Amino acid sequence: DSGVTQTPKHLITATGQRVTLRCSPRSGDLSVYWYQQSLDQGLQFLIQYYNGEERAKGNILERFSAQQFPDLHSELNLSSLELGDSALYFCASSVGTSGTGSYTGELFFGEGSRLTVL
Amino acid sequence: GDSVTQMEGPVTLSEEAFLTINCTYTATGYPSLFWYVQYPGEGLQLLLKATKADDKGSNKGFEATYRKETTSFHLEKGSVQVSDSAVYFCALGVGAGSYQLTFGKGTKLSVIP
Repeated sequence: DSGVTQTPKHLITATGQRVTLRCSPRSGDLSVYWYQQSLDQGLQFLIQYYNGEERAKGNILERFSAQQFPDLHSELNLSSLELGDSALYFCASSVGTSGTGSYTGELFFGEGSRLTVL
Repeated sequence: GDSVTQMEGPVTLSEEAFLTINCTYTATGYPSLFWYVQYPGEGLQLLLKATKADDKGSNKGFEATYRKETTSFHLEKGSVQVSDSAVYFCALGVGAGSYQLTFGKGTKLSVIP
């Protein structure tokens, strides 16, 4: 058990809909990362938050947005869903971020939220 | 941009066989290199890492050496077990001290008794 909790584990929805994925990081971790895992693209970095602020952005579509709340949990919002958005969405956390503290480089991953868009 | 290329599977081995999973990278600067493992139904977890050239990461009988001259970080294990069946991901940290990781596409390993 990594200590990172993601809900829901499975989600089935229709094209055009909007969903919210939730992540609770490990106790004490300030950084949250979102990754998308699909068969053709592999693991793609979407976005990172550190202590409530956006820190880095990857291949995140404009239809997607995220935020990190004061209690450090994070939500990933996916809107106007398309068939191609079907994937496994992982949340990960780490104690620090680039330039802070001693570096471990280790990310702790949740079990993922599997999104199916029909 | 930064990228990781790893041999694509699936790879099927008999128990006690020798394992090599190749990984090469392209990066500006001096990245940190990682191997993560994903067991069925679970999230990824760190297997080993190396933060500078010629470092050797090792864990659970697996090892990999950071080779700057060949931009490689191949994963090896001398004798695999059925319990090693999983998907293995090579990754690099973008820039020194970075937690923003770029992953390879993963290699699925199946070990049969």
